[in-house]
Amino acid sequence: GAGVSQSPSNKVTEKGKDVELRCDPISGHTALYWYRQSLGQGLEFLIYFQGNSAPDKSGLPSDRFSAERTGGSVSTLTIQRTQQEDSAVYLCASSPHPLSQGAGQPQHFGDGTRLSIL
Amino acid sequence: DAKTTQPTSMDCAEGRAANLPCNHSTISGNEYVYWYRQIHSQGPQYIIHGLKNNETNEMASLIITEDRKSSTLILPHATLRDTAVYYCIVRNAYSGAGSYQLTFGKGTKLSVIP
Repeated sequence: GAGVSQSPSNKVTEKGKDVELRCDPISGHTALYWYRQSLGQGLEFLIYFQGNSAPDKSGLPSDRFSAERTGGSVSTLTIQRTQQEDSAVYLCASSPHPLSQGAGQPQHFGDGTRLSIL
Repeated sequence: DAKTTQPTSMDCAEGRAANLPCNHSTISGNEYVYWYRQIHSQGPQYIIHGLKNNETNEMASLIITEDRKSSTLILPHATLRDTAVYYCIVRNAYSGAGSYQLTFGKGTKLSVIP
């Protein structure tokens, strides 16, 4: 489809394992965002990519979290040595560049990866 | 970003219009009003946004008061699939680092009743 695609939709893993989450943004969107949402909670910003600029990593909760975006499209979020408090839904969003389509462009979300750490 | 206030919950009869209010009395000139919704187990879904003028798309209409201190999202013919939590967000699209971070409040839980 034409929306943001995330995989896997569900991931169950043991504490201490590494996990990799994938996000495929909407074609042509230059901005990509990662958030996480714990049960019944709001959005927690993690990281933001815009084109070829250096990403804003200010929301990453620890150095166990990292993300990359290859070729300005697909992004992977990696969590090393997972802990139980990492259990959450990890959401990816994308949006067009404001200079190409005007300011105020909305973010469009995928359905997330539900991560459960045993 | 300006704070928003929404009712905690609302009911709407199926087939009727759902009117969801949002107060944003501290909104500033460069801040847009965005509406998203989240259905259980799905990611947030963008609905509509506006700056000053009323907006309409295939999903909904957005009515913004002349002083921009409040707005109403209108779902013209609510269906059972519109049952969700609806979030009103005010965000400055022109400011620097951090302006792109979306923050959802508690939102309004809309229940569409058969």
